[in-house]
Amino acid sequence: LAKTTQPISMDSYEGQEVNITCSHNNIATNDYITWYQQFPSQGPRFIIQGYKTKVTNEVASLFIPADRKSSTLSLPRVSLSDTAVYYCLVGSNNNDMRFGAGTRLTVKP
Amino acid sequence: DAMVIQNPRYQVTQFGKPVTLSCSQTLNHNVMYWYQQKSSQAPKLLFHYYDKDFNNEADTPDNFQSRRPNTSFCFLDIRSPGLGDAAMYLCATSRGRTSGRYNEQFFGPGTRLTVL
Repeated sequence: LAKTTQPISMDSYEGQEVNITCSHNNIATNDYITWYQQFPSQGPRFIIQGYKTKVTNEVASLFIPADRKSSTLSLPRVSLSDTAVYYCLVGSNNNDMRFGAGTRLTVKP
Repeated sequence: DAMVIQNPRYQVTQFGKPVTLSCSQTLNHNVMYWYQQKSSQAPKLLFHYYDKDFNNEADTPDNFQSRRPNTSFCFLDIRSPGLGDAAMYLCATSRGRTSGRYNEQFFGPGTRLTVL
């Protein structure tokens, strides 16, 4: 099972771009990288998933370098409502993925 | 809207008194998962069902069991709750188990269990 390492916490201000990097040095060939967002007292919510290069959706972008040993979640122009915990998961099956400690993002006015 | 529903949202039980948490889904997904999330910790997978096939995590205590009578419903049974079992219990679903497009997990709002 691929282990992930993320910063424990990050602070930002409204309107800024936030980049959260996740390290996964032992990622396997068939593993995908998936990010979830969790607000207090709610279940996690899927944000984005990728295998290589760059993926973009209406919420975020995911940058994955060629060696795939890390990935960066990019949140454009954050607002106060983006304050949450962000989890990076790596695996080839949902049941093999493990939630790590996550990154607690605080967006300030 | 298609969704994952958990009832009740808050459950209080007494030490050693069996308790059942329920999860239902309108997504018609094949896979259903149960996670335990303690305060300020990450969700921890307890077990999952792929259709009717039950898959237990190696470190899930025997005190935790699950039932899936049909595609839509899944139950978490805690036979003898201890104080250490107080947590948020999250149910999730996915179309399939393999990572990749369209197989992301959809989580319910969770049931917060208090053990007195």
